[in-house]
Amino acid sequence: ELKVEQNPLFLSMQEGKNYTIYCNYSTTSDRLYWYRQDPGKSLESLFVLLSNGAVKQEGRLMASLDTKARLSTLHITAAVHDLSATYFCAVDMSYGGSQGNLIFGKGTKLSVKP
Amino acid sequence: EAQVTQNPRYLITVTGKKLTVTCSQNMNHEYMSWYRQDPGLGLRQIYYSMNVEVTDKGDVPEGYKVSRKEKRNFPLILESPSPNQTSLYFCASSLWGDWADTQYFGPGTRLTVL
Repeated sequence: ELKVEQNPLFLSMQEGKNYTIYCNYSTTSDRLYWYRQDPGKSLESLFVLLSNGAVKQEGRLMASLDTKARLSTLHITAAVHDLSATYFCAVDMSYGGSQGNLIFGKGTKLSVKP
Repeated sequence: EAQVTQNPRYLITVTGKKLTVTCSQNMNHEYMSWYRQDPGLGLRQIYYSMNVEVTDKGDVPEGYKVSRKEKRNFPLILESPSPNQTSLYFCASSLWGDWADTQYFGPGTRLTVL
C-alpha cells in the first residue's frame, strides 16, 4: 500500500525566510504532483514532476523529485504573505507509465507572518 | 473559458436518498477523477476514468458509483448516502498519456448527509 507523508503538517514562517516542505512516499513511483489550496477554495496545480532529478521553479517555489530516495521537496524562498495556503503533494501509483491512481499527502498548512 | 464545473455546489440530504453530483469539463480531457476531502484525512481518490467507458476504483470507492458515457461528463452517484459520506467533493480532469499533465479541479461540492 502506498503511503505519502508530508512534513511538517503545520508551518509558521516569517516573511523573507526560506523553508522546505518534504513529501516522502513508500513505494516506487516516478510521478509526483504539488498542489496549493487556499482556505475555502479548490485546488490549484503547482508542479508536475515526471522523472528522477526533475526540478521545477515558479516564482518563490521550487520543487524537486528524487525517486531513489522516494522524496520530493517544495522549497520556499523569501516567503511572502501571499504564499499562505495549504500545500499537498500527490503520488501516482505507477512506475514507467501513468495509472491515474493518485495518493495525496495530508497537506502542509503554511502561514507566513510579517 | 477552460473549466471544470460541478453541480450542485452545496447539498443537504437525508440518509438513503439517492443523489448524483455532476461533473463536466470543456477541455476535451481524457482523464477525470473524483476526490473527497475530510479534515485530518486530506484528499482521497474515489474513482477515476482514463477515457469513455473506462473507470477504476481509487482508495475509497465504497458507497459510490460513477459512469463515463461521454468524454466531458463524469457523474458521481450515491445510491444510498450515509452520514459518513458527509464531505467536500472535488472533481478533476486532465490530459493523460505517457506524459502526465496538470489536473484542473472543479470548485467543489459540499455534501451533508443527515
